[in-house]
Amino acid sequence: LAKTTQPISMDSYEGQEVNITCSHNNIATNDYITWYQQFPSQGPRFIIQGYKTKVTNEVASLFIPADRKSSTLSLPRVSLSDTAVYYCLQIGSGGGADGLTFGKGTHLIIQP
Amino acid sequence: EAGVVQSPRYKIIEKKQPVAFWCNPISGHNTLYWYLQNLGQGPELLIRYENEEAVDDSQLPKDRFSAERLKGVDSTLKIQPAELGDSAVYLCASSLGVRLAGDNEQFFGPGTRLTVL
Repeated sequence: LAKTTQPISMDSYEGQEVNITCSHNNIATNDYITWYQQFPSQGPRFIIQGYKTKVTNEVASLFIPADRKSSTLSLPRVSLSDTAVYYCLQIGSGGGADGLTFGKGTHLIIQP
Repeated sequence: EAGVVQSPRYKIIEKKQPVAFWCNPISGHNTLYWYLQNLGQGPELLIRYENEEAVDDSQLPKDRFSAERLKGVDSTLKIQPAELGDSAVYLCASSLGVRLAGDNEQFFGPGTRLTVL
């Protein structure tokens, strides 16, 4: 059973910033928030992982407030190639199966 | 460096037949995962290996599914006999480990698309 909740779908336009929120009300102390991206006919690909505050890498930023009950994946200046399914997971340090639940993800569609 | 390799990429079989999927993880990755993904759904964990030890196999239907990871490297997932409802994509992934953030980044293979007729 997925422990996180995220919107089923979103759409935006090229060049815009897209923010996808994820709710994880039962997050445990040792859980990390991890986001994956999946294109059709491919396996998921790791995007970013964080514990609290803000994490930024070359493709995205992840914002986690102090209570850690939600997080926001931010994709700056999206392009058509960012159209994909995005999954939010809360993974404990033990890597238990309960945290390895992808759910249905958020279908992001980018339009010209 | 080569990524996670899976074979075959596609498999079509008739129900009640056996089928096997093979996975070669990234070199040095101790943790190996098998997932099942149905159309429109996210991946569902079937089993996770820490080296050659199977852990987190509660979602593996043990009456027909079996898996092994001899010598803690390659892994095989088998279904015998296959049922119509087993049609799905079977994904293999590997990671350095699970204990430390960063180590648990999973690298996925392209998957095997199984069609049971």
